Amino acid sequence: DAMVIQNPRYQVTQFGKPVTLSCSQTLNHNVMYWYQQKSSQAPKLLFHYYDKDFNNEADTPDNFQSRRPNTSFCFLDIRSPGLGDAAMYLCATSRGGTVYEQYFGPGTRLTVT
Amino acid sequence: GENVEQHPSTLSVQEGDSAVIKCTYSDSASNYFPWYKQELGKRPQLIIDIRSNVGEKKDQRIAVTLNKTAKHFSLHITETQPEDSAVYFCAASKGSGGSNYKLTFGKGTLLTVNP
Repeated sequence: DAMVIQNPRYQVTQFGKPVTLSCSQTLNHNVMYWYQQKSSQAPKLLFHYYDKDFNNEADTPDNFQSRRPNTSFCFLDIRSPGLGDAAMYLCATSRGGTVYEQYFGPGTRLTVT
Repeated sequence: GENVEQHPSTLSVQEGDSAVIKCTYSDSASNYFPWYKQELGKRPQLIIDIRSNVGEKKDQRIAVTLNKTAKHFSLHITETQPEDSAVYFCAASKGSGGSNYKLTFGKGTLLTVNP
């Protein structure tokens, strides 16, 4: 009965080689978020979708893109990964409206070689 | 934008003692304050939250208090157990509407409960 699923759990990519991370949810939540979390730091919001409305954080590099083809799925594309992009990428969801609680997926650990 | 300060950055207690973690926020429009527990290599897990229309909320051994006037909120864990050892993050948001859903996190507190 997993609620927020991320694939893969571990991803190794080469410097500059595009990579896509996947998130799916069975909660039918309206809002989906992508966070980047580096070691010993708090999660940092990259962007979020409310339904199909995309909200990008001002300091999210252009190298990071996202797609949400339907309610259940959201993808994070890193067009040209650099060594500094190695991190845990966390997907989260919330119902939206007046329900604010965010629930996180297990994360994808990205290694850039 | 919102700024959340969290203290202490590390906290070590003996099993059975209480632990208190404090956060302050800067934006008086923030109205939702969750606390997350993150064990090493795992996802952040929502353990308790509070909205600005409530001053205190309790769930078994954990409680959160909110002082809107002073713009600070605290997490209280009583009768700590070794399995409470983790990093705890506080966060704040303005709730609903567009980018208001955004959570601004504190930098985290590493809690260690010694048996």
